[in-house]
Amino acid sequence: AQKVTQAQTEISVVEKEDVTLDCVYETRDTTYYLFWYKQPPSGELVFLIRRNSFDEQNEISGRYSWNFQKSTSSFNFTITASQVVDSAVYFCALSGPGTYKYIFGTGTRLKVLA
Amino acid sequence: DAGITQSPRHKVTETGTPVTLRCHQTENHRYMYWYRQDPGHGLRLIHYSYGVKDTDKGEVSDGYSVSRSKTEDFLLTLESATSSQTSVYFCAISEDWTDNQPQHFGDGTRLSIL
Repeated sequence: AQKVTQAQTEISVVEKEDVTLDCVYETRDTTYYLFWYKQPPSGELVFLIRRNSFDEQNEISGRYSWNFQKSTSSFNFTITASQVVDSAVYFCALSGPGTYKYIFGTGTRLKVLA
Repeated sequence: DAGITQSPRHKVTETGTPVTLRCHQTENHRYMYWYRQDPGHGLRLIHYSYGVKDTDKGEVSDGYSVSRSKTEDFLLTLESATSSQTSVYFCAISEDWTDNQPQHFGDGTRLSIL
């Protein structure tokens, strides 16, 4: 069975601190895809990144970086020098090969305090 | 931003009444989805569509029906709304499944059933 665990329900940091959001997944597929989405207070869901299981290179996009480790079944998301605008709920999701079905984690609410 | 419009954005209705939510896309994507978002559950798939008049059930489809008569429109109907269907509903679209292209989400519809 597939499963995504985001054990951190809520995290509070002070602006400019670095913060890491954890995502641990379970799957029996050898090919799979992982995603991160951001849901700001306004409510929309914004796609951030897609990573396939064959690409273990870390990815950096501005202040955002993602660490994919198959050995620990984790796909963690780090925000460097956090800003108040980063305050949101962040969802991690898992998908098998050639399938519509996403398995979402329950989300981590990040609060960045000024 | 993906061209996805959900309507209405907010609705309050009474138990037992029928409710229809609309999702309209301008991207000409083949695949469309309806999710519900509830605290502690992340997002759960209700129904999805893989083409005009082609739809299928997701994991929480009881009490819901869908229709897709045009590529651009995907309707979600609650035939007889119940309080347990109070939720935030998201429509999503994607280009295809074969390469697990990411799903892009609308802004959501907040539905309250009294």
